[in-house]
Amino acid sequence: SQELEQSPQSLIVQEGKNLTINCTSSKTLYGLYWYKQKYGEGLIFLMMLQKGGEEKSHEKITAKLDEKKQQSSLHITASQPSHAGIYLCGADGQKVTFGTGTKLQVIP
Amino acid sequence: NAGVTQTPKFQVLKTGQSMTLQCAQDMNHNSMYWYRQDPGMGLRLIYYSASEGTTDKGEVPNGYNVSRLNKREFSLRLESAAPSQTSVYFCASRSGSTNEKLFFGSGTQLSVL
Repeated sequence: SQELEQSPQSLIVQEGKNLTINCTSSKTLYGLYWYKQKYGEGLIFLMMLQKGGEEKSHEKITAKLDEKKQQSSLHITASQPSHAGIYLCGADGQKVTFGTGTKLQVIP
Repeated sequence: NAGVTQTPKFQVLKTGQSMTLQCAQDMNHNSMYWYRQDPGMGLRLIYYSASEGTTDKGEVPNGYNVSRLNKREFSLRLESAAPSQTSVYFCASRSGSTNEKLFFGSGTQLSVL
């Protein structure tokens, strides 16, 4: 089965700072999702990456899938309190499996 | 459109009780999924249904059963609830079986005492 490991598990940053979250897969990724979850709420789709080297942006959030398609990184520029939440990466397939999540707190 | 609707939003059970979590989508999606979310564990797949009439086990199927009642509805049943099943349950759906994003419901918070 495919396993996704996210790092760091939690992150506290000052508003305005940049940050990066990593997602590493035990197998080749044929598609990789990034979702955001606000505390106590449902999941919001951010973006999907499919090709090695692909990079996509959504507002101040940029995600990239590496050439070997086994790792993805999500970068937030100039973080804001609205970025706070849990970020989850998911591996596409008939069974979509998710990583353990990264909890982000942004201090004003 | 309502999207993916889950009921109930909250539920408290005693050990050994049974209950069914309901999920319905109005987007004419073929695939539907049930996940559970525990602190520090991300989302773990319980069961999924790639199309009407089919179901398959995910990572953590023990203690659960599912029914794909029709294309719209996918229910999750706990026959004899255990404290280890205390979790937040999410239902999701998507149009195809791969290469498309999942749409999630708002979740059911279940506590088993």
